[in-house]
Amino acid sequence: EVQLLESGGGLVQPGGSLRLSCAASGFTFSSCAMSWVRQAPGKGLEWVSLISGSGGSTYYADSMKGRFTISRDNSKNTLSLQMNSLRAEDTAVYYCAKGVSSGWSDSFDYWGQGTLVTVSS
Amino acid sequence: QSALTQPPSASGSPGQSVTISCTGTSSDVGGYKYVSWYQQHPGKAPKLMIYEVSKRPSGVPERFSGSKSGNTASLTVSGLQAEDEADYYCSSYAGSNNLLFGGGTKLTVV
Repeated sequence: EVQLLESGGGLVQPGGSLRLSCAASGFTFSSCAMSWVRQAPGKGLEWVSLISGSGGSTYYADSMKGRFTISRDNSKNTLSLQMNSLRAEDTAVYYCAKGVSSGWSDSFDYWGQGTLVTVSS
Repeated sequence: QSALTQPPSASGSPGQSVTISCTGTSSDVGGYKYVSWYQQHPGKAPKLMIYEVSKRPSGVPERFSGSKSGNTASLTVSGLQAEDEADYYCSSYAGSNNLLFGGGTKLTVV
């Protein structure tokens, strides 16, 4: 059974940093691209970033470039998102999602339950 | 790039069919065969229902179907059931390794 378990969310002040993690199990982690997708309270989904199965390629939504860094440890089946210079508009539930292919993936067949990030003073 | 455009709400009675639209541009929906649809129940994670415009993942009922014409993609739910009541989101590849989501449609089974 595929499982994705996010952690690391919480309350952070504007300008601060936070690191999210996603522990994956139940599939061959290194064979799948992984992504972060966020959802602001009461709002729709927004793609954040994606990393290829090997970790050699990373992609970001324009509004996240330069502030967020996606990474993965295939030896530990773990996905991470380092978020810096956080803004109030980054407040959202952040989902870890499994891509359907190993390279760029435009759809995601399994999602975690999400971790809430709140940026506020 | 702007989010894809979906109607805020849609509704239908049990057993009826309902279609939800997702409108983009020639740079996203119209330019690629990479439209997906997700179902999200309140407080739950999204679930993939359709990928590559019209393909259904294993386990998704045949009542769910997808199509595309020009810059608009559509999700049709036939034989509506109470458990289909949820939010539905479309997504599309937008070129240059970018992915766009729609604003979401709340489907009510009345």
